[in-house]
Amino acid sequence: NAGVMQNPRHLVRRRGQEARLRCSPMKGHSHVYWYRQLPEEGLKFMVYLQKENIIDESGMPKERFSAEFPKEGPSILRIQQVVRGDSAAYFCASSPPTQARTEAFFGQGTRLTVV
Amino acid sequence: AQSVTQLDSQVPVFEEAPVELRCNYSSSVSVYLFWYVQYPNQGLQLLLKYLSGSTLVKGINGFEAEFNKSQTSFHLRKPSVHISDTAEYFCAVWRQNSGNTPLVFGKGTRLSVIA
Repeated sequence: NAGVMQNPRHLVRRRGQEARLRCSPMKGHSHVYWYRQLPEEGLKFMVYLQKENIIDESGMPKERFSAEFPKEGPSILRIQQVVRGDSAAYFCASSPPTQARTEAFFGQGTRLTVV
Repeated sequence: AQSVTQLDSQVPVFEEAPVELRCNYSSSVSVYLFWYVQYPNQGLQLLLKYLSGSTLVKGINGFEAEFNKSQTSFHLRKPSVHISDTAEYFCAVWRQNSGNTPLVFGKGTRLSVIA
């Protein structure tokens, strides 16, 4: 059973471009969480998704950021018109359905650099 | 809403000395508690978790933590550290029996083991 897979591991974008970060959860996990980690800071929650539903997006910036978790395929975190302040490590985690949710499993992260 | 406070941002300690990393949380409901470790340029790996039962929890790499409900604390300890324990450590809480809340992290404690 492969772990949570994130790709790419490293992503470089010029200001104004779009960044698409992908996350494939562990097999059988229907819940996905995205976090952002800035230098010298902890992990900030961004968004919580189930298949085809956004459960909690209270941590997402109101503009330029969006996330989806389609019925088929990976979860995608999309950042439009990136700015230097978007440079960070973005981590995805997955967990089983609610009643079996006692642990979140993390991917290796995508390190976004905006130049 | 719950929050997590890690009281020390950096902890230097000599090799083979004991260490304690402090974590306090605030929540009006019962929670699950976690410690994760992050090595440089890596994702998060679960060290240990408290779900119920014995308040002393043993994890990987010789770490243990004690849940203290009256003090709302979940401090992490190791009796003798190694150079390889140098990493960032994150405490996290998750509301029990709540389907739609994310894992909430502290800001992390950077443990530096000195030879």
